Amino acid sequence: GAVVSQHPSWVICKSGTSVKIECRSLDFQATTMFWYRQFPKQSLMLMATSNEGSKATYEQGVEKDKFLINHASLTLSTLTVTSAHPEDSSFYICSAETGERVTEAFFGQGTRLTVV
Amino acid sequence: DQQVKQNSPSLSVQEGRISILNCDYTNSMFDYFLWYKKYPAEGPTFLISISSIKDKNEDGRFTVFLNKSAKHLSLHIVPSQPGDSAVYFCAAQFQGAQKLVFGQGTRLTINP
Repeated sequence: GAVVSQHPSWVICKSGTSVKIECRSLDFQATTMFWYRQFPKQSLMLMATSNEGSKATYEQGVEKDKFLINHASLTLSTLTVTSAHPEDSSFYICSAETGERVTEAFFGQGTRLTVV
Repeated sequence: DQQVKQNSPSLSVQEGRISILNCDYTNSMFDYFLWYKKYPAEGPTFLISISSIKDKNEDGRFTVFLNKSAKHLSLHIVPSQPGDSAVYFCAAQFQGAQKLVFGQGTRLTINP
């Protein structure tokens, strides 16, 4: 099946710093990528939808200035958590689709962010 | 507002028996449903899906049942194996939309 690689798998950063998470589709071109966040024992919550070459669409309640998304190419999307705070500590997961209405979204491995 | 709900946070089943995971949804506009399996610190992997025009889809040990009138779907795993121990998420998709709406997940533990 299709492979989506997410990097890093875990990161610890200090409050006030910024962290960038990369999501790459390795063997297909992803016109659309999605960024999710998961708190412990809770569901995957969609943060934003990113389309190649255009601005991301953020879900209600997600601060676009805090969570910067860039989808510069058909194989790479990045999520930058700016001025991170401890409450941003969470598990972030990306998924990628080919642009058709596919039945399976291919997920990255996830990134565990801990802000200290 | 949780549109997709998995009311059982955990389930424990004996190896070889049937595991039944349940999922309820509130929005009748969902027209596609998917089940994902997730191990700790990994992304979800797709298991099986069902269109709203069907009431059953089977793939090996996994069968998904959809009851549209009750807005309920279930995933049956038979026989259950230790490697099935994971968190299972159901997800729903609106017609014409790409994004998925996930339930909270159910942690399945298969006991030897």
